Amino acid sequence: KAGVTQTPRYLIKTRGQQVTLSCSPISGHRSVSWYQQTPGQGLQFLFEYFSETQRNKGNFPGRFSGRQFSNSRSEMNVSTLELGDSALYLCASSLVGRETDTQYFGPGTRLTVL
Amino acid sequence: AQKITQTQPGMFVQEKEAVTLDCTYDTSDPSYGLFWYKQPSSGEMIFLIYQGSYDQQNATEGRYSLNFQKARKSANLVISASQLGDSAMYFCAMRESPRGDSSYKLIFGSGTRLLVRP
Repeated sequence: KAGVTQTPRYLIKTRGQQVTLSCSPISGHRSVSWYQQTPGQGLQFLFEYFSETQRNKGNFPGRFSGRQFSNSRSEMNVSTLELGDSALYLCASSLVGRETDTQYFGPGTRLTVL
Repeated sequence: AQKITQTQPGMFVQEKEAVTLDCTYDTSDPSYGLFWYKQPSSGEMIFLIYQGSYDQQNATEGRYSLNFQKARKSANLVISASQLGDSAMYFCAMRESPRGDSSYKLIFGSGTRLLVRP
């Protein structure tokens, strides 16, 4: 069974631009979560989607948004990029996002903002 | 608020020896779950092991076992017979349910970098 895939793997943008990252969950998984990892802040939760609905959101500004499609694939968008947005963005999927489910992560998208 | 603490920024272990990575947590929820993930330099987070708060026995998965001490709020990861490929960052994480329903997010510790020496 294929794992979680994320595209692109690497991205370089300049300040003020916007970016869209994509995540395809494990087949059959319907919950998708996004995390940001930086050296200073560590791993932080961005948001979680299930059945095309955002169920949880972390403490990030409105420049960070996401969506989920009917096939459970998810995208996250960051508008008006800032230098501090440089990070590894990890996507994780789980069956239905229940307490007993395990989140399985993709390889991440490494975003560099210049 | 829930919190995960990993007090060992870095550790060394000799190949084939066992190593324990520490994790303490703080929560007021009676039901919670604890996870350990491995992150090699490639960046991908690899799920290792899970322990539920109501599980009667410590979780084990191959060479990985979890030393769960509920009263002390600790969930230490034990890796037996270390291999060179075990060199990586290791994260302890706790499940948090902000909405009080079945959806959850993970709260991560700061991680421990393990280096296995040949």
